[in-house]
This record gives sequence, C-alpha cells and structure tokens, in this order.
Amino acid sequence: AQSVTQLGSHVSVSEGALVLLRCNYSSSVPPYLFWYVQYPNQGLQLLLKYTSAATLVKGINGFEAEFKKSETSFHLTKPSAHMSDAAEYFCAVSRISNFGNEKLTFGTGTRLTIIP
Amino acid sequence: NAGVTQTPKFQVLKTGQSMTLQCAQDMNHEYMSWYRQDPGMGLRLIHYSVGAGITDQGEVPNGYNVSRSTTEDFPLRLLSAAPSQTSVYFCASRRGGSPLLLFGPGTRLTVL
Repeated sequence: AQSVTQLGSHVSVSEGALVLLRCNYSSSVPPYLFWYVQYPNQGLQLLLKYTSAATLVKGINGFEAEFKKSETSFHLTKPSAHMSDAAEYFCAVSRISNFGNEKLTFGTGTRLTIIP
Repeated sequence: NAGVTQTPKFQVLKTGQSMTLQCAQDMNHEYMSWYRQDPGMGLRLIHYSVGAGITDQGEVPNGYNVSRSTTEDFPLRLLSAAPSQTSVYFCASRRGGSPLLLFGPGTRLTVL
C-alpha cells in the first residue's frame, strides 16, 4: 500500500519569501513521487517528478523538491514566492512497476496563499 | 495533439438521473483513469483502464461504471446520480510504462 501525507492544508507566505510545502510518503517499494499544481478552476499540471534518478529535482516556475529516503519526504520549495504561485499543490506517489497498472495516490492538497 | 479532453465542463443533475462524462485522448495512451476531487480529500481514483477492453476499480468505484471499447475513449457513467456524487471529475492518461499522468480540464458536476 502507498500513501501521502501533506502537512498543512493552508500555507501563507509573503511575496519574496521562501515557499516550503511538506510531503511525506509511505511506500513498500521504491516510489515515483510527483508534485502537481492546480490553479483556480483549472486542471492539474505537473510541477516536477522524481523517478529514481537525481534526488534533487527541479521543476517549472522555479520550484524544486528533494527526495530524502531516510525521512520518507519529498518537500517542495521555491526560494522566492511570486503572486502567481497562489494555487493548490498536490503531492502524489506511485509505485515503480513494469505491469502498467500503477496507481497514482494523492495527498489532500495544500492551498498556498501569497501575501503582497 | 489535443491532449486529454473532457465534456461537458459543467453539469447539473437531479437525484436519480443518469449521465455519461466523456473523456478522450489522442496520444495513443494505454492507461486511462478517472478521479474525483472533493475539498479536503485530494483526488481519489474511481476506475482505471490499462488498455481497450480492460478496466478495473479504484478507491471509490461505487455508483460509477466505465468501459473502454477504444484506446482513445474512456467514458464514466453515473447510472442513478446521488448528491454524494457532487464533485469535480478529472480524467487522466499516460503511456504504458511511463509514470507521467496527464490530466484533462475537469467536469464540475452538481447533483441536486
């Protein structure tokens, strides 16, 4: 079984401040890990993904995440928040498998608010 | 490529009515899936398919049916809508063996 826990359903940061969104996962096998972003009234867009290569993953819009196996974490960071970063962010986990039926399990989401 | 498309964008139903949410992709993806999104609960998998003629249940399948007669299409059927099915529904697809799931724009469904 696999699961994802996102700490903090709402996070507020000032414009220009560090963004840190927390994600911890549980998986009995080596995982794939993802961060998706959802802007208001839109679908989900992939921010970045970890697929067992480099542990520090860079994504779009200046976001990055570090896979830490010892802490079972995959926290999302951005050095300087921009107003356009206001959105809901979802962490997700999937198994590595050759069978083609891997399911993507999502966390409950973190809504990021940027304070001017 | 149009990617993953969903119709309709919005729908209001009365309790007991039936309807089909449409999903199509033009990327020849083997894997397709349906999720529902509810506040505070993230996205939960309803049904998925690993290829034409093959479907399986996800986390919350009750009240929904699916079929996969072609690679391109994966419709979701509500046979008798209930207020608990008020939600935003997302269809997603990916290539077999790839972990990258691509999402459609969603259908917002309200059941009165």
